[in-house]
Amino acid sequence: GAVVSQHPSRVICKSGTSVKIECRSLDFQATTMFWYRQFPKQSLMLMATSNEGSKATYEQGVEKDKFLINHASLTLSTLTVTSAHPEDSSFYICSARGDTHSPLHFGNGTRLTVT
Amino acid sequence: AQKITQTQPGMFVQEKEAVTLDCTYDTSDPSYGLFWYKQPSSGEMIFLIYQGSYDQQNATEGRYSLNFQKARKSANLVISASQLGDSAMYFCAMSSGTASKLTFGTGTRLQVTL
Repeated sequence: GAVVSQHPSRVICKSGTSVKIECRSLDFQATTMFWYRQFPKQSLMLMATSNEGSKATYEQGVEKDKFLINHASLTLSTLTVTSAHPEDSSFYICSARGDTHSPLHFGNGTRLTVT
Repeated sequence: AQKITQTQPGMFVQEKEAVTLDCTYDTSDPSYGLFWYKQPSSGEMIFLIYQGSYDQQNATEGRYSLNFQKARKSANLVISASQLGDSAMYFCAMSSGTASKLTFGTGTRLQVTL
């Protein structure tokens, strides 16, 4: 079945630095990928929709300059958390689907800790 | 606007018994999809089952079945013959129209006991 790979699975960084998270669709092409954020014991909240070859669409309240999304190819989307702060510590997870009749498949997530 | 409601923050079930996890939804779009995902403590989201709004029959996938009651706007997940490995968070989610993005419920933590 469809597989989505996310890297890294865990990252610890210092406050003020930037962190890049990669999301790859391994056996299908994804014109659209989605980035979610999940705080401990809470649900997944959609941050943005990543569109191949065009700008990402951000959900209300999500700072586009802080969470940079690049969808440079049909199999890769990246999320860069710029100038990270401790409040950005969270679980970030991406998802993609091959076509409209397929379910969304998720990467394994990235646990970001900002110290 | 779409909304997914899961009213059970936690559920317990004995091994080998069946359990129903509740999910209600609200949308004004006549075309939508309903999903259930399992999230173990390791964090990954595992797709379990899908029900389209126009599907005539309830979806089934192995031990998972979806009790879809369109008039009541409910899409409950039924897990039969529970196993210890079923212990996890379970999320109900919905997509509307042609949009692929999902709106998630708050989840239900299922604990399977001996």
